[in-house]
Amino acid sequence: AQSVTQLGSHVSVSEGALVLLRCNYSSSVPPYLFWYVQYPNQGLQLLLKYTSAATLVKGINGFEAEFKKSETSFHLTKPSAHMSDAAEYFCAVSDRTPNGKLTFGQGTILTVHP
Amino acid sequence: DAGVTQSPTHLIKTRGQQVTLRCSPKSGHDTVSWYQQALGQGPQFIFQYYEEEERQRGNFPDRFSGHQFPNYSSELNVNALLLGDSALYLCASSLMDRGRNGYTFGSGTRLTVV
Repeated sequence: AQSVTQLGSHVSVSEGALVLLRCNYSSSVPPYLFWYVQYPNQGLQLLLKYTSAATLVKGINGFEAEFKKSETSFHLTKPSAHMSDAAEYFCAVSDRTPNGKLTFGQGTILTVHP
Repeated sequence: DAGVTQSPTHLIKTRGQQVTLRCSPKSGHDTVSWYQQALGQGPQFIFQYYEEEERQRGNFPDRFSGHQFPNYSSELNVNALLLGDSALYLCASSLMDRGRNGYTFGSGTRLTVV
């Protein structure tokens, strides 16, 4: 069984500040890990994914995440927040079978203040 | 290149009724997965279709059923609707033999049960 815990349902930062969204996972097998972003009334857009290559993964819009097996974490960061980053972010885990189902966390709403 | 298309975008049904939601996958994709996203929650996996068969299923009752057509499009059917079925239903498509779970999500169908 797999699960994801996102620490903090709401995160608020100032424009230009560091963004840090926390994700811890539980998996009995080596996982694939994902971060998705969801804007209001829209579907999910993939930001980045870890599939066992480099542990530091770079994604779109300046986001990156680091896979830390010892901490079972996959935290999402961005050095400088932009107003357009305001959205809900979901961390997800799957096993490594082709098209394995995604198990999502509860989501973190990011607010960016001017 | 068209992404994942879902229809309708919004739907209101009465408790006890039946509903059918539709999904056209991204061009070149052969696998369709369905997720239910209740308000304020992360998406939950319902089931996945490949080669017109249900390949994986999440923890949803038999009231939830689906179908995949030869052109890879898919339908999600929900019978005997309950108020708790109100949610955003997301369709995700992928290519089975590519692995690494490269899903593309649609914008979803917002179902309201009254």
